Amino acid sequence: AQSVTQLGSHVSVSEGALVLLRCNYSSSVPPYLFWYVQYPNQGLQLLLKYTSAATLVKGINGFEAEFKKSETSFHLTKPSAHMSDAAEYFCAVSDERGSQGNLIFGKGTKLSVKP
Amino acid sequence: ETGVTQSPTHLIKTRGQQVTLRCSSQSGHNTVSWYQQALGQGPQFIFQYYREEENGRGNFPPRFSGLQFPNYSSELNVNALELDDSALYLCASSLQGPASPLHFGNGTRLTVT
Repeated sequence: AQSVTQLGSHVSVSEGALVLLRCNYSSSVPPYLFWYVQYPNQGLQLLLKYTSAATLVKGINGFEAEFKKSETSFHLTKPSAHMSDAAEYFCAVSDERGSQGNLIFGKGTKLSVKP
Repeated sequence: ETGVTQSPTHLIKTRGQQVTLRCSSQSGHNTVSWYQQALGQGPQFIFQYYREEENGRGNFPPRFSGLQFPNYSSELNVNALELDDSALYLCASSLQGPASPLHFGNGTRLTVT
């Protein structure tokens, strides 16, 4: 079975600092990997996705993630945090059938940005 | 384009009651998925509908059921509500296939007392 582990339920950075949110996955087959962001009282918005093309994936709002098969990781980064980045971030992996509706989500990492 | 809309936004029910949540898919999308997000947790997959048929189901009991209509709108029905059913219920629409991104609505917050 596939699974996702997000290290750190809460990450705090200063405005302008590097953002690094960690995600490790478990999958017996090549996975599809996703990062979503959730603002308070809202649904989830897709930041970026990995579908076996380039290993470095660029997303919206300046975020990017690198797929590392040897480390089974898909960490999310942003060079310079902005106050508007404060939100909860979820990493997700598709299941063995590859149907994106059956996404398996991590427990999320809440990002706080200090002025 | 019109995004995914869910109704109602908030709902309070009593244990043992039944509830129906509604979702209107994004224009052009033929697939709808439902997720349950408990407080402090990631979303958990309930089921997916494609062309009005259930197309995959997560680890949820049969008292969780759904419908998809010809216009691709959808309902989630939960019978015999339990306290643990209190959660944010998210609907997401997409095109069928693993490369098609999910577009989420803002969810329905269900509280069971």
